[in-house]
Parts: sequence; C-alpha cells; structure tokens
Amino acid sequence: DIQMTQSPSSVSASVGDRVTITCRASQGVHSWLAWYQQKPGKAPELLIYSTSILHSGVPSRFSGSGSGTDFTLTISSLQPEDFATYYCQQTNTFPLTFGPGTKVDI
Amino acid sequence: QVQLRESGPRLVKSSETLSLTCTVSGGSISSSHYYWSWIRQPTGKGLEWIGRIGARGSTNYNPSLKSRVTISVDTSKNHFSLRLSSVTAADTAVYYCASAEASVMEDWGPGILVTVSS
Repeated sequence: DIQMTQSPSSVSASVGDRVTITCRASQGVHSWLAWYQQKPGKAPELLIYSTSILHSGVPSRFSGSGSGTDFTLTISSLQPEDFATYYCQQTNTFPLTFGPGTKVDI
Repeated sequence: QVQLRESGPRLVKSSETLSLTCTVSGGSISSSHYYWSWIRQPTGKGLEWIGRIGARGSTNYNPSLKSRVTISVDTSKNHFSLRLSSVTAADTAVYYCASAEASVMEDWGPGILVTVSS
C-alpha cells in the first residue's frame, strides 16, 4: 500500500493568513493526488484533484501543487469557513489511501 | 452532481454482518462515468477506503478488508450496497458512500454511524 503522510498534523491560524499543508506519498503517484475538506460532523468534500485542478465551485484561494511524492495544498487567505480538517488522497494505485489529516483551527 | 444517502442498521452485533445501502439520486447508477465507493471513518480518526464497484459490476477492494467485504449494485433500484462480515468493535465507524470519477470521490453521502456491539 502507498502510505500518505501530512504535515503539520494541526495548525493554528487567523483569518487572512496564508496556510500551506504538505502531503507526502511513500511511492511516486505521478500527479494523481486529491485534497478534501471535512468539517465536524460532515462528509468530506472534494477540493482539488490531479494535484492542482480545482473542483467545481471551489474558491480560487485554494491551490495545489507538486508531483511524484511531494504535494502541497495552499490557502492563500484563510476565511472563517476554511477552518476544517484537510485530507490528501492518492488516486494512482489500489488500495486508494488517505493521509491522516491536517486540522486548521484558530 | 449526484446525491447519495446511506441507509441500514446503525447497530450490529459482533461477529454478524454489517449491511448498508447507498441510494443514488440525480443521476443513473448505470452511468459508465462513475464508480461507486464506500469509505469509513472511525470516530475521531482518518478515512479508510473500503472498495468500489463500477456500473457493470467490476469491483476493487481494500486488501485489508477484502476477505470480509462484498460490494454490489442494483441498477433497477439505483442503489449499491456494502456487506462486511464477521464484524468486531474495530469496524465501528461512520460509513460513507461516494461517487467517483476514476478514483476521485466527487460526491459523498452524509454518512451513517454504525456501532458494533458485543
């Protein structure tokens, strides 16, 4: 299985801050990497797929980059509705695997 | 965009079989565009992909669960199902169904908490 790690595990930030989350795969996954946002008590929501393509309706303050084994999710200017947990997922190889999550809070 | 909703027993006894159904609306489960996935999340923990099924019935399972999992699709009812046998307390989790284009989970159901009791 491809193991996914994320750093940091949590980050405290303020509205307007730039936040960067890192995701690393134990093996190369090319550009087959997705990001999800999950708020408490809710299902995850797709933010980005294929490393950098924003899902429909996702604000442009979210961006993704990377390739191979190292990827980043950046929120350029944190908004109140962005406080959540973020998961990366490799979509290259079965079984599909997720990172452990990064909690963004105040 | 499709809507999905999980249903089934919320309490299952240890060693028995967990059975859930995901009803799809706003689109046809027969669409060749989509795969239909199950994912679970123990309380306070991360996401674990269980497996998926294509419209024609082809399946992929997580090897960690493969011996206990069956995912099936019923196109006449526009739903797909999960069966997980020989459950233990470790299977207590929120179970989500999702539609996926390739392996990207685009739309998710709200989730259903299933508790395994001894």
